Amino acid sequence: NAGVTQTPKFRVLKTGQSMTLLCAQDMNHEYMYWYRQDPGMGLRLIHYSVGEGTTAKGEVPDGYNVSRLKKQNFLLGLESAAPSQTSVYFCASGLGGGLSNQPQHFGDGTRLSIL
Amino acid sequence: AQSVTQLDSQVPVFEEAPVELRCNYSSSVSVYLFWYVQYPNQGLQLLLKYLSGSTLVESINGFEAEFNKSQTSFHLRKPSVHISDTAEYFCAVSDGDRGSTLGRLYFGRGTQLTVWP
Repeated sequence: NAGVTQTPKFRVLKTGQSMTLLCAQDMNHEYMYWYRQDPGMGLRLIHYSVGEGTTAKGEVPDGYNVSRLKKQNFLLGLESAAPSQTSVYFCASGLGGGLSNQPQHFGDGTRLSIL
Repeated sequence: AQSVTQLDSQVPVFEEAPVELRCNYSSSVSVYLFWYVQYPNQGLQLLLKYLSGSTLVESINGFEAEFNKSQTSFHLRKPSVHISDTAEYFCAVSDGDRGSTLGRLYFGRGTQLTVWP
């Protein structure tokens, strides 16, 4: 049972480059989330999705875009990377909605450095 | 929206000593509460959760947390820690089944627990 899988695990970009982070889950979860984790800041929600074809902004959405074309996949895009986006990115999935008492399941993270 | 405060960013303790990691949240309305643990270079794993009922919840590896509604706290405790408990611990709160924040979790900034031999 793979759970939540993130690719790539590591990446180094130059300022201005673009890239897409992929998240895949095999638990048939409706809700998916992208967080960034920075030292001393905990996890901050970037964007989330409550179902296939829908997305919504979280706390820190600027500079990122997302898409949820398939229920099992949630993509996070950086159109023009900036050094401030150097971070560890986590994807999570969960039942959500009327089942907010169910925990979210996390991937192992993508470590992204912007030079 | 909720806010979650973890009062200690770092907690160093010696092996076999007791430990308490503190967590307070902002709202006294009905919430769901979680503790997650993150080992180095890994994602977050659920440690325990409070949904309703008994205010004391336990995990399989000896941690427990007590929900205190009047103090809006959900502190995590373990009577005797092991070196393998060294990790970062995150407290998280869900608003429950209300409005636009369905399914969202609000995280504290984390507490790094370091257990020394």
